[in-house]
Amino acid sequence: SYVLTQPPSVSVAPGKTATITCAGNKIGSKIVHWYQQKAGQAPVLVIYYDSNRPSGIPERFSGSNSGNTATLTISRVEAGDEADYSCQVWDSSNAQGVFGGGTKLTVL
Amino acid sequence: EVQLAESGGGLVQPGGSLRLSCEASGFTFSIYWMHWVRQVSGKGLVWVSHISSDGSDTNYMDSVKGRFTISRDNAKNTLYLQMDSLRAEDTAIYYCARDTAMAHNFDFWGQGALVTVSS
Repeated sequence: SYVLTQPPSVSVAPGKTATITCAGNKIGSKIVHWYQQKAGQAPVLVIYYDSNRPSGIPERFSGSNSGNTATLTISRVEAGDEADYSCQVWDSSNAQGVFGGGTKLTVL
Repeated sequence: EVQLAESGGGLVQPGGSLRLSCEASGFTFSIYWMHWVRQVSGKGLVWVSHISSDGSDTNYMDSVKGRFTISRDNAKNTLYLQMDSLRAEDTAIYYCARDTAMAHNFDFWGQGALVTVSS
């Protein structure tokens, strides 16, 4: 089955840029989505189809996908961005969803 | 307003059964695929199962195949997950989620139902 690998944690100072990666074999040929999950809450979709933002998601959130790595970038990080972030693809060969292990973003 | 509300969670002994429900409102439930996703405390999200809009297409993660059954009642706007032969490792929060139909991402989630399998 398809595997997505994320770093367990990323730390960034307020106002700086956070980069969270999601590695997978030829992930650039797949469509990647990203979710934000704050403590005690349900996940929220923040990026879909590699780089698109749902309504209500700030422009500070952006995504890219190429080769073996997809990336979620959060610009001008705020304290309220502190959360777990997970990437997700649909493995069409098995008709199964696949999530990365999640990355805890800490705002210093 | 789109809302998904899970119910039916609780404590069950190993080998036991539990049925989760997810009541949908605020959208035309019958045209959307739906999913169950679970999360062990302190761990990442794990996809469990999906069902197509008319219920004809379903699939499961390997470790629950043959034990879990997903179903839906479009007349009642409700999604179900029947969980049999439960194991300790099934202990998790179970979320229902709506599929956007764009490469199978999940745009709305319920608040989750806690399932604890323990003797």
